[in-house]
Amino acid sequence: KAGVTQTPRYLIKTRGQQVTLSCSPISGHRSVSWYQQTPGQGLQFLFEYFSETQRNKGNFPGRFSGRQFSNSRSEMNVSTLELGDSALYLCASSLGEREGRGEQFFGPGTRLTVL
Amino acid sequence: ILNVEQSPQSLHVQEGDSTNFTCSFPSSNFYALHWYRWETAKSPEALFVMTLNGDEKKKGRISATLNTKEGYSYLYIKGSQPEDSATYLCAFKAAGNKLTFGGGTRVLVKP
Repeated sequence: KAGVTQTPRYLIKTRGQQVTLSCSPISGHRSVSWYQQTPGQGLQFLFEYFSETQRNKGNFPGRFSGRQFSNSRSEMNVSTLELGDSALYLCASSLGEREGRGEQFFGPGTRLTVL
Repeated sequence: ILNVEQSPQSLHVQEGDSTNFTCSFPSSNFYALHWYRWETAKSPEALFVMTLNGDEKKKGRISATLNTKEGYSYLYIKGSQPEDSATYLCAFKAAGNKLTFGGGTRVLVKP
């Protein structure tokens, strides 16, 4: 079974630009969650999508948005990039049952650098 | 805002020694507690998912215990090896809710 894939793996942007990151979950998984990791910080939850709907949202500004397609693939968009957005962005997929154990399978991440 | 704390933030262990570290989480509305291992340049990988108070899980030399009434979990590494060097993350799941991760414990095993 193929794992979670993320593209691109590395990205360099300048302040003010926007960026779109992509995540393909494990086949059969309907939930995709996005996390940000910056130096010295743990995994900060951005949002979770389940069946094309945002089910949970973290405390990030509206510049961070996402969507999920009918095949469960998800994209995350960051508009008007700031230097502080430089981070590793991880996505994780799971079966997604609300009362399930919630075990998540992580992708390799996208390293975003904002100059 | 759910508070999930891990301590210590980092620790150095001599090869062959055993070690343990802690994850504390809210004791109310508990559903599951996860442990992940995150090696450098790799993705976080699930070690254990624990749901029952008093539960103990074991995978090789690594084991974990869970106390949901007081809100803590311990992860133990017996006879540490260099390949155990990683950041260990715990994550708390409330019923019907998302995972909330702790800050991690970074373990460095010295040969």
